[in-house]
Amino acid sequence: RKEVEQDPGPFNVPEGATVAFNCTYSNSASQSFFWYRQDCRKEPKLLMSVYSSGNEDGRFTAQLNRASQYISLLIRDSKLSDSATYLCVVNFASGGSYIPTFGRGTSLIVHP
Amino acid sequence: DAGVTQSPTHLIKTRGQHVTLRCSPISGHKSVSWYQQVLGQGPQFIFQYYEKEERGRGNFPDRFSARQFPNYSSELNVNALLLGDSALYLCASSPGLAGGETQYFGPGTRLLVL
Repeated sequence: RKEVEQDPGPFNVPEGATVAFNCTYSNSASQSFFWYRQDCRKEPKLLMSVYSSGNEDGRFTAQLNRASQYISLLIRDSKLSDSATYLCVVNFASGGSYIPTFGRGTSLIVHP
Repeated sequence: DAGVTQSPTHLIKTRGQHVTLRCSPISGHKSVSWYQQVLGQGPQFIFQYYEKEERGRGNFPDRFSARQFPNYSSELNVNALLLGDSALYLCASSPGLAGGETQYFGPGTRLLVL
């Protein structure tokens, strides 16, 4: 079983829709959590960090559930420009440092 | 300010050869990490270097090695290339080692092994 799992999708939604992605992790020695966005043939870029209390940035809301070991990303009022792959990242503690572990990514396609 | 830079952008090698990839972090960043991303998968962690010392290693064979220089730039070396090493190799920099820090990725080097 992979340490960080995501539904690869694709999620195909119309403009204006609300869409949610989940990401589960298996290692309880987890330190920090992030969502990255990756456009086709580009490098990943940070979308937002995920905090235990949940956090919001405009149309994006991220939440963390440590008890159930998952993080979520909610996108409201989807735009065509939101089409991309969304990668969740969990940093696992390891020997005084941490190991960043990416999920395989969830593909989002927003259509007119 | 310049972001993370990587060279070369593309590379074609044959099986058995070796390759050296280079990365320059954002000015002021002391930590550099290397990732391998194959098509359809997320980036896989290979190494992290901080202040010229290896501080983290992923599950990759000894054919993979890296180093960091006094100016914080880094090289990733892969020996005895296999077809399965074909991938996008990403470098990311961050200010330090804290697990909560944001990593900034370079555009990557696309390696094709024939």
